[in-house]
Amino acid sequence: QKEVEQNSGPLSVPEGAIASLNCTYSDRGSQSFFWYRQYSGKSPELIMFIYSNGDKEDGRFTAQLNKASQYVSLLIRDSQPSDSATYLCAVMPGSQKLVFGQGTRLTINP
Amino acid sequence: DTEVTQTPKHLVMGMTNKKSLKCEQHMGHRAMYWYKQKAKKPPELMFVYSYEKLSINESVPSRFSPECPNSSLLNLHLHALQPEDSALYLCASSPGLQRGVSGANVLTFGAGSRLTVL
Repeated sequence: QKEVEQNSGPLSVPEGAIASLNCTYSDRGSQSFFWYRQYSGKSPELIMFIYSNGDKEDGRFTAQLNKASQYVSLLIRDSQPSDSATYLCAVMPGSQKLVFGQGTRLTINP
Repeated sequence: DTEVTQTPKHLVMGMTNKKSLKCEQHMGHRAMYWYKQKAKKPPELMFVYSYEKLSINESVPSRFSPECPNSSLLNLHLHALQPEDSALYLCASSPGLQRGVSGANVLTFGAGSRLTVL
């Protein structure tokens, strides 16, 4: 079982709709969870981090964490074409190294 | 200054060359990282420095040699590389490595150095 699993997509969402990205992780001791966005040919940029169970909102983005189910998600409301990118879920298990999922390629269709 | 600066942006080298990648941050961060990213794959951790000391080496071949001259600088020395080492090399930094401290382990990435080995 991979440490961090994401559906690689591609995920296609109409402009203005909600995009939902999901991630599961295997290490129950993990305490830090991150979502990065990466445009083609560019480096990852942080969207959000979350440490506690529940929801964390920042503008159009909401991260959701459920440690009992070992599940973290990212919702993007009012999706824009500029949101088209690969979204990387990352988890920091007890070893303190950041482990990335394979990434989900998201396309927002105008 | 909230940036991590990497040089060069592009590097082409032969298998017998010696070259170095450089990374600099002025955010006062105490942890610095090297990641390697191949096309359509996620970044893979290579090395972690914490307070200028190597804390994690992910069994990287010795042809890659990291160096942390001071808290703001991180180098990756390259020697006798193979064509399969061609990739995007990403440097990152974080305030620290402490768990449970909000934001302490949030990584900020540089723009990367794209390496081609001929």
